Amino acid sequence: DVKVTQSSRYLVKRTGEKVFLECVQDMDHENMFWYRQDPGLGLRLIYFSYDVKMKEKGDIPEGYSVSREKKERFSLILESASTNQTSMYLCASEYGGADTQYFGPGTRLTVL
Amino acid sequence: QKEVEQNSGPLSVPEGAIASLNCTYSDRGSQSFFWYRQYSGKSPELIMSIYSNGDKEDGRFTAQLNKASQYVSLLIRDSQPSDSATYLCAVNGEGQAGTALIFGKGTTLSVSS
Repeated sequence: DVKVTQSSRYLVKRTGEKVFLECVQDMDHENMFWYRQDPGLGLRLIYFSYDVKMKEKGDIPEGYSVSREKKERFSLILESASTNQTSMYLCASEYGGADTQYFGPGTRLTVL
Repeated sequence: QKEVEQNSGPLSVPEGAIASLNCTYSDRGSQSFFWYRQYSGKSPELIMSIYSNGDKEDGRFTAQLNKASQYVSLLIRDSQPSDSATYLCAVNGEGQAGTALIFGKGTTLSVSS
């Protein structure tokens, strides 16, 4: 079974803090994704990566950056957290070209 | 802007009935179609994928694809209370950057016992 894990299920941070969300997959997948999910807005793609050190902007990259130094790990960084970044953050991974994405359990981030 | 549209619901059906969930998409070049189930507070879980016109069955679930009409549907037979969840339709498109999927906002299904 594909396993995608995320570093925290719940996280509370203060405005202006730097926040790191980590995602690890154990299936040697090439592609990894970060989404946020908000009521009424659905899943929105923040960034994705096709390979180590490669990254592509999704639909809403503003205020976020990512890092992929190892194939199995994809990190989302909020450089200076703001209250409008309070959301559920979901990581997904996918075998290259397969189109089928597998999600981690999610991190519910609250920014106060 | 490529879009995936779903009725938000809630769709309410009695236990044992057939639940029918529908999705339309805007990109005529889309090639891959997926249904995910998401329980409240949990992450999406893939339940069906379909790539060719017609029906694809997996247990109580049937996915139907009609590329000419640009819609994909999910039928759940013998609905159970445990099927109560939000169902997300996801579509990939020809020429879409990489393999990033476009998700609909989901349809909430409620199955009453």
